Amino acid sequence: DVKVTQSSRYLVKRTGEKVFLECVQDMDHENMFWYRQDPGLGLRLIYFSYDVKMKEKGDIPEGYSVSREKKERFSLILESASTNQTSMYLCAGRDRQNPYEQYFGPGTRLTVT
Amino acid sequence: LAKTTQPISMDSYEGQEVNITCSHNNIATNDYITWYQQFPSQGPRFIIQGYKTKVTNEVASLFIPADRKSSTLSLPRVSLSDTAVYYCLVGARGKLIFGTGTRLQVFP
Repeated sequence: DVKVTQSSRYLVKRTGEKVFLECVQDMDHENMFWYRQDPGLGLRLIYFSYDVKMKEKGDIPEGYSVSREKKERFSLILESASTNQTSMYLCAGRDRQNPYEQYFGPGTRLTVT
Repeated sequence: LAKTTQPISMDSYEGQEVNITCSHNNIATNDYITWYQQFPSQGPRFIIQGYKTKVTNEVASLFIPADRKSSTLSLPRVSLSDTAVYYCLVGARGKLIFGTGTRLQVFP
């Protein structure tokens, strides 16, 4: 059974803190993605990575950075958390065989106070 | 990337067939149509994808007319566990654009 795991289901941080969200996949997928999901806005792509040490900006990269040092791990970093980054964060992996089928993790609900 | 439009919400009863239609007037030649399902507190899950005509798997059927400007996801005999948000996505290899989806509520 394929698995994408995220380090935390719930996280509470203070404004200005540096926040790390970790995602690990066991499917040997080259491609990995970070989305945020907000009511009324659907899922929006923050960053994605085609391979180790490669990254590309998605639609809303401002305020975020990413790290992909190993194939199985893709980290999302909030350099200085702000209240408007309170959201559900979803990580996904994708196999090169079917570019339309992404496997999502359970999500991390981040609250910035 | 083609924009999709689908109903915000739908209601159904157990045992009924549910059809969710998505319009994508600006679909490009290389675009595929993909549907995802999302339960509360979970990430989306791939259901089905197609390019034209009809595709069927163990979960759903996808109907795509010849002009490909719309598609219909068909869920046969829904149960309470099919209550979820359903997303229609259109795109070529690479980025997937998730809209706000259709919230399906199944009643007993």
